[in-house]
Amino acid sequence: DQQVKQNSPSLSVQEGRISILNCDYTNSMFDYFLWYKKYPAEGPTFLISISSIKDKNEDGRFTVFLNKSAKHLSLHIVPSQPGDSAVYFCAASGVQGAQKLVFGQGTRLTINP
Amino acid sequence: DAGITQSPRHKVTETGTPVTLRCHQTENHRYMYWYRQDPGHGLRLIHYSYGVKDTDKGEVSDGYSVSRSKTEDFLLTLESATSSQTSVYFCAISERGRVTNYGYTFGSGTRLTVV
Repeated sequence: DQQVKQNSPSLSVQEGRISILNCDYTNSMFDYFLWYKKYPAEGPTFLISISSIKDKNEDGRFTVFLNKSAKHLSLHIVPSQPGDSAVYFCAASGVQGAQKLVFGQGTRLTINP
Repeated sequence: DAGITQSPRHKVTETGTPVTLRCHQTENHRYMYWYRQDPGHGLRLIHYSYGVKDTDKGEVSDGYSVSRSKTEDFLLTLESATSSQTSVYFCAISERGRVTNYGYTFGSGTRLTVV
């Protein structure tokens, strides 16, 4: 039972354009959502997070949007740069039995020059 | 790497042999986690620890055991390795059990191949 789903295994975007990565979840008890970025042969690194009491959080080129009614979040990267090429994982956590981070399958983002 | 080290970085082992992976942290964080990463599955929690000698199972714990005798070390043991345990294993640490803005800090991973 996949509680966090990233339905696009890969995404290719031209440098300078917007990258949009999507994530869906099923557990309404989740109250924190995070995005991690992973380069080959390295561990995942934290990128940006959002609390369920917000619908948007922005950090430089990265913005995360949360739609609680649809149980959907997305990560926008503007403008996309070659160094953004990586695997991006969506993760979620909550209270009462769902405290551990639960991850999606990941989306491999490739930024083309 | 935020004071978290995994060893070995790579290992090839034969089916049926025991294998132990080590996670060492210098951050004095109370919580430690073992995840495995597989294509199509993302990262899945194997076991976690909420203090010395306090551990619990995660989502995919069958065939694995853990031990934490010191705050800084969290060991993952595959009691009798199988080919299905070929994977990349990540250790993670956190200061709190309750995830907030920053989640966990991950190590660089151990690539394990069972032949």
